[in-house]
Amino acid sequence: SYVLTQPPSVSVAPGQTARVTCGGNNIGSKSVHWYQQRPGQAPVLVVYDDSGRPSGIPERFSGSNSGNTATLTISRVEAGDEADYYCQVWDSSTEHVLFGGGTKLTVL
Amino acid sequence: QVQLVESGGGVVHPGRSLRLSCAASRFAFKSFDMDWVRQAPGKGLEWVSFISYDGTNKYYADSVKGRFTISRDNSKNTLSLQMDSLGPEDTAVYYCARMSGGAIHFYMDVWGKGTTVTVSS
Repeated sequence: SYVLTQPPSVSVAPGQTARVTCGGNNIGSKSVHWYQQRPGQAPVLVVYDDSGRPSGIPERFSGSNSGNTATLTISRVEAGDEADYYCQVWDSSTEHVLFGGGTKLTVL
Repeated sequence: QVQLVESGGGVVHPGRSLRLSCAASRFAFKSFDMDWVRQAPGKGLEWVSFISYDGTNKYYADSVKGRFTISRDNSKNTLSLQMDSLGPEDTAVYYCARMSGGAIHFYMDVWGKGTTVTVSS
């Protein structure tokens, strides 16, 4: 079955750029979506279809997807960006939604 | 604004059943596919089930197939999840979510705040 692999944690200083990766076999052929989940809150969609940004999401959030890796990039990181981030795809072969294991972003 | 509100969570003994509901408001519920997603304490997100806008297509995670049943009532703007034969591994916060994108692009653009299910003797 298809597996999405994320690093457990990423740390970045305020004002710097954070990159959260999501690995999968030929993931570049799929549409990848990203969610932010702050502690005690429901997830929020921050990027859809690899690089689309929902209304209300800052331009600091962007995404890319190629080959075997999709990447969520957060520019000019702020303390409020500290959260868990999950990638997600739709596996059409099994008709299942798949989530990555999640990455905890720590703002130093 | 667009809203999803889950209810029905609680504490239940192993082997028993529970029914969750999700009330949708301020959008055309009957036009959207819907999902249930859960999150065990301290763990990541786990997809549970999907139902198409008209209820004709239903998909389940292997971990719940045969025990959980998803349904919807478009006349009442309500999504439901019937959970039978519950075990401790089903303890989690359960979220309902609106699906957008379609086909291979499915993503969840609206989430409820979740309802907590605890399975314990």
